[in-house]
Amino acid sequence: SQKIEQNSEALNIQEGKTATLTCNYTNYSPAYLQWYRQDPGRGPVFLLLIRENEKEKRKERLKVTFDTTLKQSLFHITASQPADSATYLCALIGSQGNLIFGKGTKLSVKP
Amino acid sequence: SQTIHQWPATLVQPVGSPLSLECTVEGTSNPNLYWYRQAAGRGLQLLFYSVGIGQISSEVPQNLSASRPQDRQFILSSKKLLLSDSGFYLCAWSPQQGVGETQYFGPGTRLLVL
Repeated sequence: SQKIEQNSEALNIQEGKTATLTCNYTNYSPAYLQWYRQDPGRGPVFLLLIRENEKEKRKERLKVTFDTTLKQSLFHITASQPADSATYLCALIGSQGNLIFGKGTKLSVKP
Repeated sequence: SQTIHQWPATLVQPVGSPLSLECTVEGTSNPNLYWYRQAAGRGLQLLFYSVGIGQISSEVPQNLSASRPQDRQFILSSKKLLLSDSGFYLCAWSPQQGVGETQYFGPGTRLLVL
């Protein structure tokens, strides 16, 4: 069956460091992958979409990579700030054409 | 610009009572609409999605139902709530290009069934 795994439930880092979050998937061949941010008690907010033919995508301090051979996406936040603290979700298109979300990684950036 | 509304923001209901959660979208037409549930410590679970008025697809068999009486209105209902229905309910919309396109979420409804 298809699975999405964000293998860290929580990640704690120091302000100014680069945060790296991992999303692995099995039994998928997604055309693209998305990353969302979710703050406590609020709905997820779309951040980035990367297509299978793109190795890397950047948006300000965010960088996403997509390795279809490893079946993995990495999400980086450079020069992290306490305001970046949130849960980050990756999402893929399932076999039914619906978006399927990972459980998320809760990032805490300490000042 | 597009906006999505959900109400109520929070709800406390006794077991066995009915439920009606409403979601409306503004600034777009013919969107795909979705209902998700997020239980504590768990990921987003897709409950229903709709590609048009009166067209509802159910992902998970349960005591919940959904309806889309108007193009930009999506309603989640139950006749009798269970304790296990507690959770954070999110409505989302996406453009009509495809069911798996980027989704835009509402603020959510926190439901506690006692």
